[in-house]
Amino acid sequence: AQTVTQSQPEMSVQEAETVTLSCTYDTSESDYYLFWYKQPPSRQMILVIRQEAYKQQNATENRFSVNFQKAAKSFSLKISDSQLGDAAMYFCAYTPYGTGTASKLTFGTGTRLQVTL
Amino acid sequence: DVKVTQSSRYLVKRTGEKVFLECVQDMDHENMFWYRQDPGLGLRLIYFSYDVKMKEKGDIPEGYSVSREKKERFSLILESASTNQTSMYLCASRGASSYNSPLHFGNGTRLTVT
Repeated sequence: AQTVTQSQPEMSVQEAETVTLSCTYDTSESDYYLFWYKQPPSRQMILVIRQEAYKQQNATENRFSVNFQKAAKSFSLKISDSQLGDAAMYFCAYTPYGTGTASKLTFGTGTRLQVTL
Repeated sequence: DVKVTQSSRYLVKRTGEKVFLECVQDMDHENMFWYRQDPGLGLRLIYFSYDVKMKEKGDIPEGYSVSREKKERFSLILESASTNQTSMYLCASRGASSYNSPLHFGNGTRLTVT
């Protein structure tokens, strides 16, 4: 069974600084997708960034980027120029390549990010 | 834009009651999911459905059942609610046309069983 591990229950960063959230996963598949989701206090889960395992290039979305290390099964999220609105729970998620019963996502336990002035 | 709507934001039920949590999506997605979110445990999959009338157990199906009679609607049923089912419940949907398509979530239902 696939597992996703987020070893940092809480992180804190000062506004305008950079922070990295860690995620590791375990799978025997070679093709899969990884996601980072953000859940602010409003509870609405928002997709931050996604990465296809077959792509060597790390995904980037504005201030958000990932460091994807396939051999190490590591998928960390870097937030640059942190803003107060980045304060939220962040979840890492994995899904294998495929449809039907393979469509489900497995989530980590989350990292709560605080942004301070 | 995809919209996933959960019928209740907050719900309070008594032990032993039958509870229905409803979820509707408007993007013709094949896949729908029910997750439970608890502090320190993240999101855990209860059940999912990849087609009408098709369902599969997730990681924690005990005490729950589901119904998907129409493509847009996925219901989670607590046959006899218990206090350990007090939690946040998140519904999500996902299309099948793109393998890397993300989940689209509803706003969640915070259920309290007393």
